[in-house]
Amino acid sequence: GQNIDQPTEMTATEGAIVQINCTYQTSGFNGLFWYQQHAGEAPTFLSYNVLDGLEEKGRFSSFLSRSKGYSYLLLKELQMKDSASYLCAVRDDTNAGKSTFGDGTTLTVKP
Amino acid sequence: DAGVTQSPTHLIKTRGQHVTLRCSPISGHKSVSWYQQVLGQGPQFIFQYYEKEERGRGNFPDRFSARQFPNYSSELNVNALLLGDSALYLCASSLVAPGGTEAFFGQGTRLTVV
Repeated sequence: GQNIDQPTEMTATEGAIVQINCTYQTSGFNGLFWYQQHAGEAPTFLSYNVLDGLEEKGRFSSFLSRSKGYSYLLLKELQMKDSASYLCAVRDDTNAGKSTFGDGTTLTVKP
Repeated sequence: DAGVTQSPTHLIKTRGQHVTLRCSPISGHKSVSWYQQVLGQGPQFIFQYYEKEERGRGNFPDRFSARQFPNYSSELNVNALLLGDSALYLCASSLVAPGGTEAFFGQGTRLTVV
């Protein structure tokens, strides 16, 4: 089966750094995505990892360890607008159009 | 450039009714996937279509069906609506499948069944 775990909620302070973890157990693997979703809006793509290691994109970085079934999203220099839900998703290895999502981590950034 | 567009944005239906949701992918994208997102949960995969053929189906009852048209737009149909079908229905398009790039989501259709 497919199982993706991430913390339900996190709180951080504006300007700080926060790490959101994701662990997965899936029958297939063809990449891991992170999406940001503001309340009432659609998910927007943040990052994609298919090989082990760190991918950096501006204030956002994502790390993957396939052997450990583990990923994290690192957000630096937090801004109030970063308050949102962050979804971890694993893409199926036989169907690129299918991803299994975690239930999301609601991040609240406080002044 | 237009992103993924879905219609309608909001919809209220009565139990037992039928609903059709529509999605237009990004120009040039041939793959469309449908997801159901219940409040407080992550999106759950319903269907994927590529080149007008069904390429994947999630764990949803036969009341859910979909199709893709020659212009790559797609419809999701749900029959005999239940209260539990109330959710945000998301359409995602991607360039190719399998092994394609990231998916781009539409703004979703918020379906409420009363």
